[in-house]
Amino acid sequence: RKEVEQDPGPFNVPEGATVAFNCTYSNSASQSFFWYRQDCRKEPKLLMSVYSSGNEDGRFTAQLNRASQYISLLIRDSKLSDSATYLCVVTALDPDYKLSFGAGTTVTVRA
Amino acid sequence: DAGVTQSPTHLIKTRGQQVTLRCSPKSGHDTVSWYQQALGQGPQFIFQYYEEEERQRGNFPDRFSGHQFPNYSSELNVNALLLGDSALYLCASSLGGGTYEQYFGPGTRLTVT
Repeated sequence: RKEVEQDPGPFNVPEGATVAFNCTYSNSASQSFFWYRQDCRKEPKLLMSVYSSGNEDGRFTAQLNRASQYISLLIRDSKLSDSATYLCVVTALDPDYKLSFGAGTTVTVRA
Repeated sequence: DAGVTQSPTHLIKTRGQQVTLRCSPKSGHDTVSWYQQALGQGPQFIFQYYEEEERQRGNFPDRFSGHQFPNYSSELNVNALLLGDSALYLCASSLGGGTYEQYFGPGTRLTVT
């Protein structure tokens, strides 16, 4: 089983729609969680950290569900510029330090 | 404010050769992490350098080695190149030996023939 798994998509949504997707992780000792976005043939850029209580940054909302071992990202009022691949990152210290990226979820927002 | 820079941008090598990739961290950052990203996959963590030492390492063979210099810049060396080493190599910088708020460079695209 992979350390981190994501639905590859693609999620094709119209402008203004809401889209949400999850990332599951296998190590129950995972400590830190992040969402990055990566545009085609570009480097990943940090979108937001994911806190235990959930957090929001404008149109983006991230949630953590430790019991079911997944994090989620919700994008409201989608813009064309939101089209990208969204990568989740999970870090753990037990048994050893491990940082794992998911393979990414592709979102395409259409006019 | 200079961001993360990497060189070269592209590189073509032959199986069995050795390659050195370079990275300069974002201004003010002291920690450099290296990742390998194959097409259609997420980045795979190779290792992290902080205070000129390898602090963390992912599941990569010893053919992958690195170095960090006093000015915090870093090199990634890969020996005995295999076809499967063809990938985008990303460098990310952060602060204080952690991986919070990592800033990535544009990457070096390595092709092994």
